Amino acid sequence: QLQLQESGPGLVKPSETLSLTCTVSGGSISSSGYYWGWVRQPPGEGLEWIGSISYSGSTYYSPSVKSRVTISVDTSKNQFSLKVISVTAADTAVYYCARLPLARRVDYWGQGALVTVSS
Amino acid sequence: QSALTQPASVSGSPGQSITISCTGTSSDLENYNLVSWYQQYPGKAPKIMIYEVTQRASGVSNRFSGSKSGNTASLTISGLQAEDEAVYYCCSYAGSSTLMFGGGTKLTVL
Repeated sequence: QLQLQESGPGLVKPSETLSLTCTVSGGSISSSGYYWGWVRQPPGEGLEWIGSISYSGSTYYSPSVKSRVTISVDTSKNQFSLKVISVTAADTAVYYCARLPLARRVDYWGQGALVTVSS
Repeated sequence: QSALTQPASVSGSPGQSITISCTGTSSDLENYNLVSWYQQYPGKAPKIMIYEVTQRASGVSNRFSGSKSGNTASLTISGLQAEDEAVYYCCSYAGSSTLMFGGGTKLTVL
């Protein structure tokens, strides 16, 4: 059974960089046809797709965060990562890592990691 | 890009049927038969219920069904049960390997 697990600091200061890693177990992150991505959910609000990385390493980002976000993959560790620079309070959210078959939907989700931006 | 439009809330009594709508644009929902629906309980990760407009995800009850007409997709839950009370999100492929979510609909079982 595929499992995804987010890890990283739960508190980040304004203007600094948010970094999260997703560890995938029960399957290979290199499997063709699957994208790996991040979805966030501010407290009490809805879901927002942030971006995805394909099995070939191509990246795709939401226009709303494109200038501040980088998604990368480490196939040797079966992990992928998210970096968001210059964070503000508006970046406070639960961040979910996810698997996306052909980028068309999310079929597996991590449990979510709350990241709070505050001084 | 704007989120897909969903009603903020819907409600129904046990045994009844309800339908949640999801309205998009020609850039996303109208142009692709790649609409998915997710169920989320408080404090939990979302769970996929429907994908490619009408396909039920593995293990999902056949009380859940999806459809689409033009720029509007719908999720119908028949035989409403107390356990169906949750927030439901629609999502559409929006081209160029991007996704767009709806704002979410809170379903209350009366």
